[in-house]
Amino acid sequence: QKEVEQNSGPLSVPEGAIASLNCTYSDRVSQSFFWYRQYSGKSPELIMSIYSNGDKEDGRFTAQLNKASQYVSLLIRDSQPSDSATYLCAVTDYTGANSKLTFGKGITLSVRP
Amino acid sequence: KAGVTQTPRYLIKTRGQQVTLSCSPISGHRSVSWYQQTPGQGLQFLFEYFSETQRNKGNFPGRFSGRQFSNSRSEMNVSTLELGDSALYLCASSLEGLARETQYFGPGTRLLVL
Repeated sequence: QKEVEQNSGPLSVPEGAIASLNCTYSDRVSQSFFWYRQYSGKSPELIMSIYSNGDKEDGRFTAQLNKASQYVSLLIRDSQPSDSATYLCAVTDYTGANSKLTFGKGITLSVRP
Repeated sequence: KAGVTQTPRYLIKTRGQQVTLSCSPISGHRSVSWYQQTPGQGLQFLFEYFSETQRNKGNFPGRFSGRQFSNSRSEMNVSTLELGDSALYLCASSLEGLARETQYFGPGTRLLVL
């Protein structure tokens, strides 16, 4: 049974700080990794996807993947109050037609003005 | 391009009843996946449909079923509702349902079972 674990929250950071969100997964065959953001009362929206070891940057967001250690992280630089949301880590196997996402339970981020 | 739509948005049912939820994917998307979200269990995969066929299935009882129509619209049915079925039901669509494709979520249907 594939498991995705996110470090316990909630996480609170001051505005302008770096928020670090971590996620570990149990299945070594996991190949595709995603970070979704979910505002309260809204549906998840994709922030970042990463497939290869290393870092991937997109604006203030950086995803980091380490397949040997089976973890994926999301860094949010210059955090803003609008970043306050629940962040969900998701993984899937890269086996072609398999879009089943296994989600972590999420971590709630609060950015203090 | 219009996003994923789900109807109804809110639903109240009583135990033992059945319910049908509907999902219209983004135009051109052929894969539709369904998820259940609860505070305790988080987001859990129910099943995925592609070209009117169920292609992947999660670990839910047979009371949960679905189908997909030729226009890629999908319905999910839950029979003999239980209190524990109270949840936010989300559908997501993607082009072909491949592992690296972005899945776009609809606004969800919030189901309350009394």
